[in-house]
Amino acid sequence: KAGVTQTPRYLIKTRGQQVTLSCSPISGHRSVSWYQQTPGQGLQFLFEYFSETQRNKGNFPGRFSGRQFSNSRSEMNVSTLELGDSALYLCASSLAGGTAISYEQYFGPGTRLTVT
Amino acid sequence: AQSVSQHNHHVILSEAASLELGCNYSYGGTVNLFWYVQYPGQHLQLLLKYFSGDPLVKGIKGFEAEFIKSKFSFNLRKPSVQWSDTAEYFCAVTPKRDTGRRALTFGSGTRLQVQP
Repeated sequence: KAGVTQTPRYLIKTRGQQVTLSCSPISGHRSVSWYQQTPGQGLQFLFEYFSETQRNKGNFPGRFSGRQFSNSRSEMNVSTLELGDSALYLCASSLAGGTAISYEQYFGPGTRLTVT
Repeated sequence: AQSVSQHNHHVILSEAASLELGCNYSYGGTVNLFWYVQYPGQHLQLLLKYFSGDPLVKGIKGFEAEFIKSKFSFNLRKPSVQWSDTAEYFCAVTPKRDTGRRALTFGSGTRLQVQP
């Protein structure tokens, strides 16, 4: 079974630009969550999508947005990039529902974004 | 809001030594608890989880963790570490009240270095 895939793996952008990152979940997984990982702040939750709806949102400015498509694939967008947005962006997928196994999140390799 | 503390930021052990990594959480209600591991150059992967029942849970690669409710702790243990256990370890929680939601709150991580 293929794992979570994220594209691109590496990105270099300039301040003020915008960027779109893509995530394909494991087949059959309908929940997709996004996290930001930085040396200073660690792993922080950005948002979660389920059935094309944002179900939960972390404490990030409105420049960070996302969406989910009917095939469960998800994208996140960051507009007006700032230097502090340089980070590893991780996507995680999981099954739907409230059972214990459905809370197991499977992470992708991440997209390394560098803002110059 | 919940928070997670991992007191050991960097641990250095010799092979065959025993391991215990501390994790404490702060939250007024009940939680689901997780340990994730990130091996060098690899994805975050789930080591073990606790939802309910026996507070001593066993995970992959010989790891186990004990949930002590009165201490708000979920410490990770392994009787005898190997060089291949060198990695960064993250403790994480989700509130049980957020049924269906997947947002993980992570600790800052513990970097484990096992010397041969």
